[in-house]
Amino acid sequence: EAAVTQSPRNKVTVTGGNVTLSCRQTNSHNYMYWYRQDTGHGLRLIHYSYGAGNLQIGDVPDGYKATRTTQEDFFLLLELASPSQTSLYFCASSDSYEQYFGPGTRLTVL
Amino acid sequence: GDSVTQTEGLVTVTEGLPVKLNCTYQTTYLTIAFFWYVQYLNEAPQVLLKSSTDNKRTEHQGFHATLHKSSSSFHLQKSSAQLSDSALYYCALSDGSNNRIFFGDGTQLVVKP
Repeated sequence: EAAVTQSPRNKVTVTGGNVTLSCRQTNSHNYMYWYRQDTGHGLRLIHYSYGAGNLQIGDVPDGYKATRTTQEDFFLLLELASPSQTSLYFCASSDSYEQYFGPGTRLTVL
Repeated sequence: GDSVTQTEGLVTVTEGLPVKLNCTYQTTYLTIAFFWYVQYLNEAPQVLLKSSTDNKRTEHQGFHATLHKSSSSFHLQKSSAQLSDSALYYCALSDGSNNRIFFGDGTQLVVKP
């Protein structure tokens, strides 16, 4: 079974702050994804990657950067956090049609 | 582009009664897979059902869905809802072209005693 972990699980920051969310998968999947989940909007794709050094833009990329340093590790960066980025963030990995999700990181921007 | 529509944001049903969650889609690709993901409170989404075969019923955990390409639908049904079925349900499709999955907005299912 796929194993995807995220850290931190909860994060509180202030407007303008820098935040890095981390994701690691241990199943040698090529694809990794970052989503945000908000009530009424479901899961929205921010960025994704099909391998180390690769980055693809998702549907809601504004205000977010991402970096895939290894096959296992995918990071989401918020360099100037805003209250509108308060959300639940999920990472996922895949090597076929099916995606496996991590437990999520709840981010609050005050 | 691809899209998935779930018409109900909230479905409330009494325990023991049947439930149906609607899902329709639009896609321009031929090679596609369909999913129902379920997300229980404070947990991550996980696959409940998946299918890529037209007119074939797929079942898991008492739920079933049949892909109907003629009507672009993949509705989720259960004959007798249980309290433990209360969760957020996402319909999704993958066109396989870049390993993206397109999610609907989700349907919150509440099962009442």
